[in-house]
Amino acid sequence: GESVGLHLPTLSVQEGDNSIINCAYSNSASDYFIWYKQESGKGPQFIIDIRSNMDKRQGQRVTVLLNKTVKHLSLQIAATQPGDSAVYFCAENQAGTALIFGKGTTLSVSS
Amino acid sequence: EPEVTQTPSHQVTQMGQEVILRCVPISNHLYFYWYRQILGQKVEFLVSFYNNEISEKSEIFDDQFSVERPDGSNFTLKIRSTKLEDSAMYFCASSNQGAEDSPLHFGNGTRLTVT
Repeated sequence: GESVGLHLPTLSVQEGDNSIINCAYSNSASDYFIWYKQESGKGPQFIIDIRSNMDKRQGQRVTVLLNKTVKHLSLQIAATQPGDSAVYFCAENQAGTALIFGKGTTLSVSS
Repeated sequence: EPEVTQTPSHQVTQMGQEVILRCVPISNHLYFYWYRQILGQKVEFLVSFYNNEISEKSEIFDDQFSVERPDGSNFTLKIRSTKLEDSAMYFCASSNQGAEDSPLHFGNGTRLTVT
């Protein structure tokens, strides 16, 4: 079936580096995308969202890029900090119904 | 900042027993959801609830599951007869518009262990 997925299950970076976490989605009808951060023992925490009529959106130290041509979503974290270590999920809204999560990428930041 | 709260944080139950997981969504939100996450896996949609009725449910949400908004603040998930495979983290979420218009805000979950 159609689903949201991530390219890599783990990503390790040094403190201060920029991190890029990728996600591929398969449903061209999806029109709303969200990145969540999940720390150990906690629920998913909203980071940033983007609609299909945009290709880039910036927040504080984070940028989401959407490439509808290849159905690709990425999260860029600038100057990664140890506190950014977590599992990152992309999620998509398919046809105005349930929000569907991908498998997650574990980001490890070493100092 | 307002948040979604869930109780208990950890629930241990024996197979076949009924459990009720409780959630207090953000107060001005109108849309409510339950998701679950089996250890180390992705977050899976169970059910969405709006205007006092289920608006969508997944195939996981079978007849053993039910949801209720018993009053103006609580939102509950009941599992009638738990199975070993129901062991997971259960997350409640809420939003002030539908999932296609606004992000879901999640609680920190209830860890359900079925023995």
